[in-house]
Amino acid sequence: AQSVTQLGSHVSVSEGALVLLRCNYSSSVPPYLFWYVQYPNQGLQLLLKYTSAATLVKGINDFEAEFKKSETSFHLTKPSAHMSDAAEYFCAVSDSGAGSYQLTFGKGTKLSVIP
Amino acid sequence: KAGVTQTPRYLIKTRGQQVTLSCSPISGHRSVSWYQQTPGQGLQFLFEYFSETQRNKGNFPGRFSGRQFSNSRSEMNVSTLELGDSALYLCASTRTDSYEQYFGPGTRLTVT
Repeated sequence: AQSVTQLGSHVSVSEGALVLLRCNYSSSVPPYLFWYVQYPNQGLQLLLKYTSAATLVKGINDFEAEFKKSETSFHLTKPSAHMSDAAEYFCAVSDSGAGSYQLTFGKGTKLSVIP
Repeated sequence: KAGVTQTPRYLIKTRGQQVTLSCSPISGHRSVSWYQQTPGQGLQFLFEYFSETQRNKGNFPGRFSGRQFSNSRSEMNVSTLELGDSALYLCASTRTDSYEQYFGPGTRLTVT
């Protein structure tokens, strides 16, 4: 069974500071990994994905994430936080070999950006 | 290309009633998945349909069911509603060549 752990349910950063949101996964097969962002009263928007190509993945809005197999991690970073980045972020894993696109999500990390 | 659409956006129902939610995937996407989002349990997988067949199902009671039509549109039904069914129900369609799932805005269901 797959699982995702997001460390920190709330993270606060100052505007212009580095954003680091942590995600660790558990999977018995090579995983596909995703980061999504959710703004209030909206659905989820795909930020980036890892599907066994480059381990450093670049996404939208200057977000990027690095897949580290040895650490079973897929942390999300952004060099400089903007006020518009305030939202909830979800890490998700999909089993690449299951013949299904089911996503297993972490509990989410709410990001606050302080002006 | 139009995104995933869900109707209705908001619903208020009474305990014991049933409800049907609708989802139209992105054109060309044959897989539709449904998720329930609550503050307590987070995002939980309900089921996935691919070419009109249920391919996978999450750990939910039989009151939750779904179907997919030949045009890939999907519906989910919840019978005998309980207060705990109050949630945001999200539909996602998958671009099968990339495993990317695109979510709709959700249907906010409130059970009173």
